[in-house]
Amino acid sequence: DTGVSQNPRHKITKRGQNVTFRCDPISEHNRLYWYRQTLGQGPEFLTYFQNEAQLEKSRLLSDRFSAERPKGSFSTLEIQRTEQGDSAMYLCASSPYLQGTIGYGYTFGSGTRLTVV
Amino acid sequence: LAKTTQPISMDSYEGQEVNITCSHNNIATNDYITWYQQFPSQGPRFIIQGYKTKVTNEVASLFIPADRKSSTLSLPRVSLSDTAVYYCLVYGGSQGNLIFGKGTKLSVKP
Repeated sequence: DTGVSQNPRHKITKRGQNVTFRCDPISEHNRLYWYRQTLGQGPEFLTYFQNEAQLEKSRLLSDRFSAERPKGSFSTLEIQRTEQGDSAMYLCASSPYLQGTIGYGYTFGSGTRLTVV
Repeated sequence: LAKTTQPISMDSYEGQEVNITCSHNNIATNDYITWYQQFPSQGPRFIIQGYKTKVTNEVASLFIPADRKSSTLSLPRVSLSDTAVYYCLVYGGSQGNLIFGKGTKLSVKP
């Protein structure tokens, strides 16, 4: 297992189209996170899963966004009816988590760069 | 909102030691301090994490004073490849996610 894998690396889509991104975390990591990053800004939290349960969603995650992690392994992030403001780098990260312990460092993927034209 | 404040940018030259200071006045008792590095078109990479005093690994050192209201990331003898954005974050064990600020853009010149 070489790390967190995200596909595709780049996606160009027309406004109004739907897009789906995939994230394959490190296999033994039970937590998976999605972030969005625009130019010059730090990553912004979108949502995270512990195993298959989606535990938290940011207010940034509008109704057009949906994330799933059906079997507690890979995750998908779908954006419906894309808008130009959705253009950003979408980052996935994973981490191990044991209840009662401090979190360990996240491992991020290289991201999917979305351009909405 | 991010719980930390750090300089927007810093410049250095190859071979110098770089210290990036971060303020976290409202750090909670169960919060840890963690630093990430990010290169263009890549995700952030974990560098170092600490709770108090000093932590050192093969990449950097982290200095945390007794009041824990600030911390300093020290990069010894930087090279051109250390040019990146460095993020300081505070993180508690019960917290579900990391909250990033804008980070410090470090530029290392020859």
